Amino acid sequence: AQSVTQLGSHVSVSEGALVLLRCNYSSSVPPYLFWYVQYPNQGLQLLLKYTTGATLVKGINGFEAEFKKSETSFHLTKPSAHMSDAAEYFCAVSVTNSGYSTLTFGKGTMLLVSP
Amino acid sequence: KAGVTQTPRYLIKTRGQQVTLSCSPISGHRSVSWYQQTPGQGLQFLFEYFSETQRNKGNFPGRFSGRQFSNSRSEMNVSTLELGDSALYLCASSRIDSYEQYFGPGTRLTVT
Repeated sequence: AQSVTQLGSHVSVSEGALVLLRCNYSSSVPPYLFWYVQYPNQGLQLLLKYTTGATLVKGINGFEAEFKKSETSFHLTKPSAHMSDAAEYFCAVSVTNSGYSTLTFGKGTMLLVSP
Repeated sequence: KAGVTQTPRYLIKTRGQQVTLSCSPISGHRSVSWYQQTPGQGLQFLFEYFSETQRNKGNFPGRFSGRQFSNSRSEMNVSTLELGDSALYLCASSRIDSYEQYFGPGTRLTVT
């Protein structure tokens, strides 16, 4: 069975600072990895995904993540935080079973951005 | 293209009642998954439907059920509601050839 661990339930940064949200996964087969963002009272929005190929993936709103198989990590970064980045971020792993896949989510990290 | 829509957005029910939530996937998406989100347990997978068939089910009691119609729209039902069923219920749809899931805004269920 797969699992996802997000280090830090809350991360605080200043506007303009580097954002680093950590995600480690456990999977017995090559995983597909995702980062989603959730704003208050809204659903989840896909930020970026890793399936195969290039290990550094770029997403929307200036976010990117790097898949490191040796470290079983998929950390999310953004060079310069903006106030509008304040939200909850979820890392997820998808493993295919018999042609369909299920997402397993981490507990989420709330990103707080101060002026 | 319209996104995933869920109705109703908010719902208040009493313990013991039952509730039905609806989800319309993105046009062309035939797979629909349901998730429950609570502060304590986070996001948990309920079930997934494709071509009107439940292909996968999470670890939830039988009070939680769902179905999918021929137009890919899906409903989930919770019978004999308990206080612990209060949660945000999220629906997600995906294409048959993709692992990306697109989420709706959710239905906020409050059980009193």
